[in-house]
Amino acid sequence: EDQVTQSPEALRLQEGESSSLNCSYTVSGLRGLFWYRQDPGKGPEFLFTLYSAGEEKEKERLKATLTKKESFLHITAPKPEDSATYLCAVHKTGSARQLTFGSGTQLTVLP
Amino acid sequence: DVKVTQSSRYLVKRTGEKVFLECVQDMDHENMFWYRQDPGLGLRLIYFSYDVKMKEKGDIPEGYSVSREKKERFSLILESASTNQTSMYLCATLVPDGTDTQYFGPGTRLTVL
Repeated sequence: EDQVTQSPEALRLQEGESSSLNCSYTVSGLRGLFWYRQDPGKGPEFLFTLYSAGEEKEKERLKATLTKKESFLHITAPKPEDSATYLCAVHKTGSARQLTFGSGTQLTVLP
Repeated sequence: DVKVTQSSRYLVKRTGEKVFLECVQDMDHENMFWYRQDPGLGLRLIYFSYDVKMKEKGDIPEGYSVSREKKERFSLILESASTNQTSMYLCATLVPDGTDTQYFGPGTRLTVL
């Protein structure tokens, strides 16, 4: 069975304290791995797509990396406005564009 | 910019009522999706549509139906709302640029009393 597991469930950081969020997955053939940011009461906002092991993408203080079993979202020197829930999703080959989501990591950055 | 709109941000309905949730995209995209999001369970796919009048069941279709009469509009229907359908409902569209990226609407928070 396809599974996407995100850890930790919740993370509290001080402003400027760098850290990483983890997304581990088990699918039979990865077509793409997606990271989204979701603010409370809003829809997910697309951040990155990664397609193959070794690939990296960056956007401001965020950097996403991918291996054959997991992805990391590294947050460098976070600010309070980075506080949100970060969602990971995978698209497996032959799945008619369906995504399987993890349950998210709720990040709080304290000033 | 990809723009997906949903008809209501908040909705309160009674048990047994018929509920319509509307989703509109103005980009002529073929693929559209309905998810529900519950704490600890993540996003779960209810139905998706890959063209007008075409639909496929997702992981949790029970208690729901959908309608896609025009390409830009994808409706989720709760035939007889129940309290366990209280949830955040999210619509998404797939940009046909080869990246398989789904873009989401703002969501509808539905409460069934």
